[in-house]
Amino acid sequence: EDQVTQSPEALRLQEGESSSLNCSYTVSGLRGLFWYRQDPGKGPEFLFTLYSAGEEKEKERLKATLTKKESFLHITAPKPEDSATYLCAVRTSGGYNKLIFGAGTRLAVHP
Amino acid sequence: AAGVIQSPRHLIKEKRETATLKCYPIPRHDTVYWYQQGPGQDPQFLISFYEKMQSDKGSIPDRFSAQQFSDYHSELNMSSLELGDSALYFCASSQEAGNTIYFGEGSWLTVV
Repeated sequence: EDQVTQSPEALRLQEGESSSLNCSYTVSGLRGLFWYRQDPGKGPEFLFTLYSAGEEKEKERLKATLTKKESFLHITAPKPEDSATYLCAVRTSGGYNKLIFGAGTRLAVHP
Repeated sequence: AAGVIQSPRHLIKEKRETATLKCYPIPRHDTVYWYQQGPGQDPQFLISFYEKMQSDKGSIPDRFSAQQFSDYHSELNMSSLELGDSALYFCASSQEAGNTIYFGEGSWLTVV
């Protein structure tokens, strides 16, 4: 069964303290791994899509990387406005028209 | 840039009533997805449509039905509502299956 696991469940950082969020997956044929940011009561906001191992993408203080078993979302020198839940999702060859989400990591950045 | 539009944003229904949620995808997007997110939970896939045909089905209750119309907008119909149906319902869209999926702001459904 396709599965996505995110860790940690919650992370508290001081402003400027860099860290990484993990998304490990067990799927039957990865057809894309997606990172979203979600603020309370809002829809997930698209951040990155990664398709193959070794691929990396960056946007401001965020950098996403992908291996054959997991993806990392690196946050460099975070600011309080980076506080949100970060969701990882996968599209598989067995379910091309849907995303399977992990439970998310709740990030809190304190000044 | 235009985003996915959902309506209504909030609705309150009583048990056993019916509710209809509407979704207007990003222009030129032909694939629509519906997700349900309970409090503190990750989004759960319900159903998707590509070119007005159902393409994938997830954990959608038999009491729920959905369709995509000729203008690509979609509606999620929920009948015999139960307290457990209270959740945030997201619609998302993409241009052809396989591309990035963009989400709307969601419709809050409260069943009392």
